[in-house]
Amino acid sequence: ETGVTQSPTHLIKTRGQQVTLRCSSQSGHNTVSWYQQALGQGPQFIFQYYREEENGRGNFPPRFSGLQFPNYSSELNVNALELDDSALYLCASSLETPINYGYTFGSGTRLTVV
Amino acid sequence: DAKTTQPTSMDCAEGRAANLPCNHSTISGNEYVYWYRQIHSQGPQYIIHGLKNNETNEMASLIITEDRKSSTLILPHATLRDTAVYYCIHTGANSKLTFGKGITLSVRP
Repeated sequence: ETGVTQSPTHLIKTRGQQVTLRCSSQSGHNTVSWYQQALGQGPQFIFQYYREEENGRGNFPPRFSGLQFPNYSSELNVNALELDDSALYLCASSLETPINYGYTFGSGTRLTVV
Repeated sequence: DAKTTQPTSMDCAEGRAANLPCNHSTISGNEYVYWYRQIHSQGPQYIIHGLKNNETNEMASLIITEDRKSSTLILPHATLRDTAVYYCIHTGANSKLTFGKGITLSVRP
């Protein structure tokens, strides 16, 4: 069984640009969540997708958007990048009911905005 | 947002038990207590969860007080590889995880 795979692992972008981060869920998982982790802080929930529909969103502006595909892989898109968007972006997958399994996280994409 | 309170840091000697406390006084009746840990430069890793009863798995034990307002994660024989930030979270099924700053556990040789 494979875990959660994220790409790229590192990325440098210029302020104002757009970025797309990708995530392949763990086999059999149908829910994917994205988190932003600033240096020295805990991860902050961005949004969650279940069966290709967004079903929860944290306190992030609309320039953060996402997609989930029929194979349950996912993308996180961020438009008009700001310096404060520099962070580790984490993808987590789970089954519909994570009670017994918890979330499986990827190793993240380190985004630096300059 | 569901909040928990954890000490900032603690350390323990390799081979000894590490007992990590957590207060979650705002937990509601249908919420579970989850523990995750994050080793430097990696994503968080699920450790264990519980509702009311104490739980044990191959990684750790979870002791939940009767009023469910606090819990303790026990690593029975800490190793150097257990050095990490440990997060205690309470949330409902299928719900987002609200991470605090966690507790930094340092295991010393």
